[in-house]
Amino acid sequence: DIQMTQSPSSLSASVGDRVTITCQASQDISNYLNWYQQKPGKAPKLLIYDASNLETGVPSRFSGSGSGTDFTFTISSLQPEDIATYYCQQYDNQYTFGQGTKLEIK
Amino acid sequence: EVQLVESGGGLVQPGGSLRLSCAASGFTFSSYWMSWVRQAPGKGLEWVANIKQDGSEKYYVDSVKGRFTISRDNAKNSLYLQMNSLRAEDTAVYYCARGRSGYRVLAAFDIWGQGTMVTVSS
Repeated sequence: DIQMTQSPSSLSASVGDRVTITCQASQDISNYLNWYQQKPGKAPKLLIYDASNLETGVPSRFSGSGSGTDFTFTISSLQPEDIATYYCQQYDNQYTFGQGTKLEIK
Repeated sequence: EVQLVESGGGLVQPGGSLRLSCAASGFTFSSYWMSWVRQAPGKGLEWVANIKQDGSEKYYVDSVKGRFTISRDNAKNSLYLQMNSLRAEDTAVYYCARGRSGYRVLAAFDIWGQGTMVTVSS
């Protein structure tokens, strides 16, 4: 099984800050990685697919990069509506999610 | 509007059964892989099962193999999850999700329902 490890598990930042979340796969998954946003009490929402492609309708302040085992998710300028938990997810071999990163406003 | 609406959740005793349903609308249901993903209270996301467009291929996470069965009825635009021999650790919100093809036949979960809660407890 492929394990996905996200860090940090929680993060507090100010509006306007640049926020970065990392995700590490237990083996090479090429670019078979997606990022989701889940707001409290809501279903997850796909933000980034194939490591770096922005889903249609998602603001350009969100971005992703990486390949192989190491991936990064970035919010270039944090907005109040970005408060959520963010998950990475691999699809190289079945589907596994990272444990999530809870993002809060400082 | 593209939409997935789950139903069928509830409280069930350990060892019991439950059947979840997911009604799809706003897209050509028969053209997509479909999936179930669950989330235990306060925990992360776990993929549960996938089914191919015509129902000919089905895949499961190891923890539910032999107990859960995914199925679909394209004429009714509906996805199902039959859950048998339920355990306390199956307690979760169960989401129906649409699969989008990419580098793999199912590369991302691009549309999600609102979820239905399943509680396994005596």
